[in-house]
Amino acid sequence: EPEVTQTPSHQVTQMGQEVILRCVPISNHLYFYWYRQILGQKVEFLVSFYNNEISEKSEIFDDQFSVERPDGSNFTLKIRSTKLEDSAMYFCASSDSGEAAGDTQYFGPGTRLTVL
Amino acid sequence: KQEVTQIPAALSVPEGENLVLNCSFTDSAIYNLQWFRQDPGKGLTSLLLIQSSQREQTSGRLNASLDKSSGRSTLYIAASQPGDSATYLCAVTDSWGKLQFGAGTQVVVTP
Repeated sequence: EPEVTQTPSHQVTQMGQEVILRCVPISNHLYFYWYRQILGQKVEFLVSFYNNEISEKSEIFDDQFSVERPDGSNFTLKIRSTKLEDSAMYFCASSDSGEAAGDTQYFGPGTRLTVL
Repeated sequence: KQEVTQIPAALSVPEGENLVLNCSFTDSAIYNLQWFRQDPGKGLTSLLLIQSSQREQTSGRLNASLDKSSGRSTLYIAASQPGDSATYLCAVTDSWGKLQFGAGTQVVVTP
């Protein structure tokens, strides 16, 4: 069964460093998402991406964050200068609907980011 | 602003009992509602999706209902098993596809 994959599973970085989290969505999907979950808190939406551009972004997704689909398979989240409060589990998700809201979102296993 | 609430926060039942998990949302203008399962330190597994026009969705031992006008959804798990122990999350979708999650109900099924 097709699944969303994410690498690395765990990333440790120093405050101020840049990190890139990688995702491979399900191959025929059209919509891509990043969410994050700080330990003990709700899963929060960061950004949605369709047709090579951002569809919507949350207040969390400031200028320190960027997303890219560099080729036909990968979807990346870059944090330019990490802060302690960026420590969280980051989830990538994808859906195949022709309408953004219409279909099931499938989640990857997550990347645990630890900022020291 | 949409708020999603799940009650109870935690639930412990003996094996074989039916589970009832509740989810409420403040803005009824949703496109669909999705129930997920999350195991400790793991990703989210989609269980059921209910479109806003539907009242109910079933998959095996799982049944989810949706009352959009009153802002409520209920997930029923019949004949619970120890393997059902996990955190169950509900999330509502807006017109852009953004999921907004509740805090979850942590379920423990004891043998």
